[in-house]
Amino acid sequence: LAKTTQPISMDSYEGQEVNITCSHNNIATNDYITWYQQFPSQGPRFIIQGYKTKVTNEVASLFIPADRKSSTLSLPRVSLSDTAVYYCLVGDEGTGFQKLVFGTGTRLLVSP
Amino acid sequence: DAGVTQSPTHLIKTRGQQVTLRCSPKSGHDTVSWYQQALGQGPQFIFQYYEEEERQRGNFPDRFSGHQFPNYSSELNVNALLLGDSALYLCASSPVGGGEDTQYFGPGTRLTVL
Repeated sequence: LAKTTQPISMDSYEGQEVNITCSHNNIATNDYITWYQQFPSQGPRFIIQGYKTKVTNEVASLFIPADRKSSTLSLPRVSLSDTAVYYCLVGDEGTGFQKLVFGTGTRLLVSP
Repeated sequence: DAGVTQSPTHLIKTRGQQVTLRCSPKSGHDTVSWYQQALGQGPQFIFQYYEEEERQRGNFPDRFSGHQFPNYSSELNVNALLLGDSALYLCASSPVGGGEDTQYFGPGTRLTVL
């Protein structure tokens, strides 16, 4: 499983766009990139998943360059409730048999 | 439609005791995975159950064991508790072959070992 590297923490203000970059130099051909969000004392929540180029849903966008050695999670116009830990994971697109490997994540603090 | 549920919410035990944590998967899901999350760390994979059998196991000692029932619910058992077992224990469920590429997590059980 490819190892991922993320910033330990980031600070932002309400209404700003936040971009969190994840490095995964050893990503394999079959690997997908998945981001989870976790609030204190809660389980992680799936945000977005992608393989290449750009993926967008109602919550976030995921940008993946052609070499796929990094990815950027983009949160538009963050609010205080986006304060959480964000995890970048890399692994095979599974059918539920994935052994998810979490790093330490990026702690995002959104201030008024 | 209920999501993943876990019980109890919190638990306090003393060293050497045994504990059982319970998980009910999301409706339609038949695979259950357990994770341990120490304070300030990301979740660490313990093991996964499918068809009432352990399919995969992470780097955890035999003191950690589990079970899956015919209704897909699962238990995590930890024997001879150590102080270092204090953590948030998360259960995640997923369907097999359903094309979903993510796991849905429950709220977790906070275990404190004194």
